[in-house]
Amino acid sequence: AQKITQTQPGMFVQEKEAVTLDCTYDTSDPSYGLFWYKQPSSGEMIFLIYQGSYDQQNATEGRYSLNFQKARKSANLVISASQLGDSAMYFCAMREFNTGNQFYFGTGTSLTVIP
Amino acid sequence: DAMVIQNPRYQVTQFGKPVTLSCSQTLNHNVMYWYQQKSSQAPKLLFHYYDKDFNNEADTPDNFQSRRPNTSFCFLDIRSPGLGDAAMYLCATSPGGIETQYFGPGTRLLVL
Repeated sequence: AQKITQTQPGMFVQEKEAVTLDCTYDTSDPSYGLFWYKQPSSGEMIFLIYQGSYDQQNATEGRYSLNFQKARKSANLVISASQLGDSAMYFCAMREFNTGNQFYFGTGTSLTVIP
Repeated sequence: DAMVIQNPRYQVTQFGKPVTLSCSQTLNHNVMYWYQQKSSQAPKLLFHYYDKDFNNEADTPDNFQSRRPNTSFCFLDIRSPGLGDAAMYLCATSPGGIETQYFGPGTRLLVL
């Protein structure tokens, strides 16, 4: 079974609007972390935001927030006030803290911000 | 600034000619990773080190080898590159624990 599922291959959003990128995960490890990365066309992976399985509150970092619903095993990324520079691939990833150092990646969502 | 450095950024090699990609870090992180990423796909983990402890993914071809001579450096050796090995190769580091990975800019490999 896939550990990370991103069901939106491509998304469009109007500049200054908010957008939600979906991510669901599958694990039996009670201790895990969820990460979102941005990959512009240049290729470098940029860390955006982290949510731990035991964190009580949803993570926020500037315009990025993570809508963490543990019972549903979802960790959706919300980008508020979209900017043209937000156009990129976005990857959701998970690490299971009791089973090793591997990060499991989803297939990514390509976000295009329309002026 | 502390960072993850990959050299070269672009590498062209010939079919079957061995090639080495390098990664260095100034972050003093315990864990180093090598990923292969093909166009419009997720990064695929090839192997990783926790200090000198090497961990190979089960589906990583034998054609791919790695060396980590010290904390700062890690190398990816492709012994006989095929056309299917053309990809972006990403190096990442992590201190472990709950921390994220920190990625280098990647090396784009072209096989002629």
